[in-house]
Amino acid sequence: ETGVTQTPRHLVMGMTNKKSLKCEQHLGHNAMYWYKQSAKKPLELMFVYNFKEQTENNSVPSRFSPECPNSSHLFLHLHTLQPEDSALYLCASSPQGGTGNTIYFGEGSWLTVV
Amino acid sequence: QKEVEQNSGPLSVPEGAIASLNCTYSDRGSQSFFWYRQYSGKSPELIMSIYSNGDKEDGRFTAQLNKASQYVSLLIRDSQPSDSATYLCAVRGGNFNKFYFGSGTKLNVKP
Repeated sequence: ETGVTQTPRHLVMGMTNKKSLKCEQHLGHNAMYWYKQSAKKPLELMFVYNFKEQTENNSVPSRFSPECPNSSHLFLHLHTLQPEDSALYLCASSPQGGTGNTIYFGEGSWLTVV
Repeated sequence: QKEVEQNSGPLSVPEGAIASLNCTYSDRGSQSFFWYRQYSGKSPELIMSIYSNGDKEDGRFTAQLNKASQYVSLLIRDSQPSDSATYLCAVRGGNFNKFYFGSGTKLNVKP
């Protein structure tokens, strides 16, 4: 079982649809993240949750709505997306604080907006 | 100014050669530095971490850190075609829950 699990792995949605991406981590971490990776672009941090409280919103459009019901689960609710939102969405987790702690990624959810 | 800068490449090296990947960062308060490898269509996977100035070796990989110059590098010895991927430099900032990633360097190892 992988440490960070994302579902669905692939999603195709129309611009008027509402869908959600789900992430679950089994590592006992307290921080969870959403990143966006578009073709030929660097990883873009979207949101950070720390002990299920949002601590970072990197100027993300409101058509992306995160939800973190507990430290193990993270959702990204999607509505009225645009074609340019098509990308790989990566969930990640890390332990709270600590110099040596790193970030672990899930396999990602490939999103195509048509 | 970007928090983490990398040359996008591609960097092409022949099989068996040493590949050298470089990264600079802007936050002098950063304490933790990481290298991730990302194969096409896959998520990033951690390959090395380094926290102190100097070199850290793990198998064919050596990470080098120079905090005074705000510089991190990754050396891959005896490069293999399977090392062909994009290598991402990541820095954990003074806010421990913020990780900054470079845009990645694409490495091609030619058989």
